[in-house]
Amino acid sequence: NAGVTQTPKFQVLKTGQSMTLQCAQDMNHEYMSWYRQDPGMGLRLIHYSVGAGITDQGEVPNGYNVSRSTTEDFPLRLLSAAPSQTSVYFCASRGFSHGTIRANVLTFGAGSRLTVL
Amino acid sequence: QKEVEQDPGPLSVPEGAIVSLNCTYSNSAFQYFMWYRQYSRKGPELLMYTYSSGNKEDGRFTAQVDKSSKYISLFIRDSQPSDSATYLCAMSFTGTASKLTFGTGTRLQVTL
Repeated sequence: NAGVTQTPKFQVLKTGQSMTLQCAQDMNHEYMSWYRQDPGMGLRLIHYSVGAGITDQGEVPNGYNVSRSTTEDFPLRLLSAAPSQTSVYFCASRGFSHGTIRANVLTFGAGSRLTVL
Repeated sequence: QKEVEQDPGPLSVPEGAIVSLNCTYSNSAFQYFMWYRQYSRKGPELLMYTYSSGNKEDGRFTAQVDKSSKYISLFIRDSQPSDSATYLCAMSFTGTASKLTFGTGTRLQVTL
């Protein structure tokens, strides 16, 4: 199993450009999410999805869009990149097991490093 | 004040040492507690998880939760150079399965 696959691994953008970070999982997980990781800030939730066609905002959603047309894919879109969006982005997924510890076991991708100039 | 506080380190120890990593938190509603390990330029991977207070042991790793003090710990016995990584604590509320609150991570270096 590949687990959670993120592309691209590295990207440099100019301010105002748009791009999409891709995330795919092959574990049939219902839940998928995007985090950003910044020094001194830890991992912060951007957007998440509990199933195809359902998305919701996390802690830091501004400047990012998501959609979930299939169970496998959860792309993150930056419509007009800003230097403040320079970060490492992680996609994570998990299956549901209501009310148990397994419900919180996230599997992370390897990350996408984005620099906005 | 952050909901979860974690000393960023770096923490440098010799091979074979016992390592203690800690997090404090402010919200007493947290029920699930996890430790993730993150190697350089990799994604975090789940190392340990516990529910409510108590200890859990897995090989050289022991996770400890003290809810009365809002304090969690991860102990690593007989530390190895391969344990060199950043360790992130994470926690969530009962039933709020969609969101984890992470600490900022402690960078650990185990030297030969």
